[in-house]
Amino acid sequence: EAQVTQNPRYLITVTGKKLTVTCSQNMNHEYMSWYRQDPGLGLRQIYYSMNVEVTDKGDVPEGYKVSRKEKRNFPLILESPSPNQTSLYFCASSFLVGGSPLHFGNGTRLTVT
Amino acid sequence: DAKTTQPNSMESNEEEPVHLPCNHSTISGTDYIHWYRQLPSQGPEYVIHGLTSNVNNRMASLAIAEDRKSSTLILHRATLRDAAVYYCILKDNNAGNMLTFGGGTRLMVKP
Repeated sequence: EAQVTQNPRYLITVTGKKLTVTCSQNMNHEYMSWYRQDPGLGLRQIYYSMNVEVTDKGDVPEGYKVSRKEKRNFPLILESPSPNQTSLYFCASSFLVGGSPLHFGNGTRLTVT
Repeated sequence: DAKTTQPNSMESNEEEPVHLPCNHSTISGTDYIHWYRQLPSQGPEYVIHGLTSNVNNRMASLAIAEDRKSSTLILHRATLRDAAVYYCILKDNNAGNMLTFGGGTRLMVKP
């Protein structure tokens, strides 16, 4: 089944403790992206990647890192999480062609205390 | 990158058609118009997309203005399960562009 898989679904952590949220897709998509969603602010893009070893900042990249060593994986890394990074995170992927739909993961709800 | 503008919310009666508008006056020639919806507690899901011509699929229809500066998502018979936030976004072939979601339209469906 074609899908975008995020792990974990829920994560509670403390300020400053490094964490990684994984994202994997099995559709051979070139494009992958991370979004965060907060009440009243909608979906905001954190980072995106057009292909392996190619990443770019989105609207809100501060405090986040990503890597794209393989086509299928696009992990989101929080080196030193802070409470303002408490949010719902979504990973998405698609082919680069403009008519290709975005496929979203089920989301990761992160709480930083 | 080009932005979209949508009403914050709309209301519909069950089993009636719904027309959700989207303005994208700065659209470029290579931008595709995509629509997604997000049901409560779920990730966004793809609804439909188009470039220049009107499009139909099992979920909805997409009507695109001749100048492409606006589009309308049409749900032919709204059901309670269609209550969601609907997002209109522009997706480009251009490698430099990123995809930006606007605020979306919250559709409420009354029984």
